[in-house]
Amino acid sequence: AQSVTQLDSHVSVSEGTPVLLRCNYSSSYSPSLFWYVQHPNKGLQLLLKYTSAATLVKGINGFEAEFKKSETSFHLTKPSAHMSDAAEYFCVVSTGGSYIPTFGRGTSLIVHP
Amino acid sequence: NAGVTQTPKFRVLKTGQSMTLLCAQDMNHEYMYWYRQDPGMGLRLIHYSVGEGTTAKGEVPDGYNVSRLKKQNFLLGLESAAPSQTSVYFCASSSMTRNQPQHFGDGTRLSIL
Repeated sequence: AQSVTQLDSHVSVSEGTPVLLRCNYSSSYSPSLFWYVQHPNKGLQLLLKYTSAATLVKGINGFEAEFKKSETSFHLTKPSAHMSDAAEYFCVVSTGGSYIPTFGRGTSLIVHP
Repeated sequence: NAGVTQTPKFRVLKTGQSMTLLCAQDMNHEYMYWYRQDPGMGLRLIHYSVGEGTTAKGEVPDGYNVSRLKKQNFLLGLESAAPSQTSVYFCASSSMTRNQPQHFGDGTRLSIL
């Protein structure tokens, strides 16, 4: 069984300040973890993925995430927010041979000028 | 490389009408998925397919049917549309290589009056 919880439905930051979007997962086996971004009226785009290689994963647009097995977390961070980062972010877990990834409910990132 | 293409992009239906949403992918992916996205609900899986000629139910299959007659196409049908099916529908595809990310279309906005 697998599940994912995004701990915040909304996160509000000022432009130029750090971003932290939190994700906890549950998985019976060694998971693969993904973060996707969805801009308004668009589909989901892959930001980064963890598949049992390095625990610190770098993605596009300056985002990175750290896999912490002991905490069952995969939080997404960015040192300095940009207005263009305002979007919906989804954390996703996939386990073993499952065809079906499990999505979190999403976190809306709001960036203030 | 077009990726995943959904048609139409927008549609308004009256209650009781039928329609088919088309998803096409040009990446030779085995797996294809249909999701619906509603405010505060994240993405919910309607149906999926693990190969040409196969389909399976997801989390919210009632009121929908699907077909995968060709590997590159995945059709979602509404036989008798209901207002509760007003949503944004996303198609996705992925390869059968273990734990690969999904590729998403830009969505179809469907309103049922």
